[in-house]
This record gives sequence, structure tokens and C-alpha cells, in this order.
Amino acid sequence: AQSVTQLGSHVSVSEGALVLLRCNYSSSVPPYLFWYVQYPNQGLQLLLKYTTGATLVKGINGFEAEFKKSETSFHLTKPSAHMSDAAEYFCAVSLSVQGAQKLVFGQGTRLTINP
Amino acid sequence: KAGVTQTPRYLIKTRGQQVTLSCSPISGHRSVSWYQQTPGQGLQFLFEYFSETQRNKGNFPGRFSGRQFSNSRSEMNVSTLELGDSALYLCASSPPGGPGDTQYFGPGTRLTVL
Repeated sequence: AQSVTQLGSHVSVSEGALVLLRCNYSSSVPPYLFWYVQYPNQGLQLLLKYTTGATLVKGINGFEAEFKKSETSFHLTKPSAHMSDAAEYFCAVSLSVQGAQKLVFGQGTRLTINP
Repeated sequence: KAGVTQTPRYLIKTRGQQVTLSCSPISGHRSVSWYQQTPGQGLQFLFEYFSETQRNKGNFPGRFSGRQFSNSRSEMNVSTLELGDSALYLCASSPPGGPGDTQYFGPGTRLTVL
């Protein structure tokens, strides 16, 4: 079964520091991988996704992620954290069942930015 | 294009009641999925509809049901509410494509069961 593990339910960094949010997946087929962000009292917003092709994926707000098949990882990074990055981040893998797409999410990582 | 809209945004119900939540997808999107988000269980898939047909269902009791209309709008219903049904219910729509398609989420309906 496909699953996603996010290492660290809480991550705290200083403003201007590197952001690294970890995601490992388990999949028996080539995965489609997503990172979503959720701000308080809002839905999920897509940051970036990996389908095929280039393994380094760039997303919105300066975030990027690298798909590493050998490590079954899809870690999210941002070189310099901004206060507005404080939110909860979810990694997800897409599972196709009878033509229907279903997202399987990790437990989420809450990112705190210290001034 | 307008995003995914969900109504109502907040609901308070008591145990034993039933509730209906509504979702309007992005124009042109034919697939609508529903997810439940709770602090304990995280984000869990409820079901997915495409062209008025339920194609996939998550591991939830039969009290949770849904439907999709010809204009792709979707509703989900929860009958005989339990305290544990308190959650944020998220609807997502996507184009009629494959597993690599992006799911676009609405703001959610926060349901509180007293």
C-alpha cells in the first residue's frame, strides 16, 4: 500500500534560515508526489508536484523539492525562511484506483518561524 | 476562474442529527473528492465522484454518503452524527485526467458536533 511519512511534526527555524521538511513515501509504482500548505482556517494550497521528468521541482513562494527514487524521498526546501511561511505542510502521494485519484497524506509538519 | 467553494463554512450540530455539506468545483472540473481532517487522524479520503458516479470510497462507515449532480456540484451527508465526526471537511476538484492531476481544495466546512 502506498503511504507517506513526514519526519517531524513540528519544525522551528529562524527567519532567513534554511527550511527543510522531510517526506518519505512508499509506493509499488512510480509515484506522483505533492506538497500542500495549509494556513490557519484555510484549505490546502498546492506548493509543487512531481509527476515525471526533472527530479528537482520548483514551486511557489520559493519552495522546491527533489524526488530521489533511491531514497524514496521528496523533501521540501526553501533557502531563506520568511515569517509568512509559518503554516502546516503536507506531503502526499497520489493513488489511482479504478481511474479515481486519491491522495494519501502524511501527518503534516507545522513550521514555525522565529524572528 | 473561481476556486472551489464550500458551504456552509461552519456548522454546529448535536449528536444524532444529520448534516449536508455542499461543494462547487472549479468550472470544467468533473472530479470531486472529499476529505476529513482531524487532529488525531490527519487528512483522510472519504470518497470521489466523477460524472455523477462514485468511483472510490475510503474506509468510513455507511453514515457518510455523497452524491454529485450533473453540473459537477457535490454534496456529502453524514447521518446520526457522533462526537467523533467533528472535523474540517475538505472538498477538492480536479480536471478529468489521471493521478498526476492537481487537486484544488476549497476552504472547508468546519463541523462541530456537541
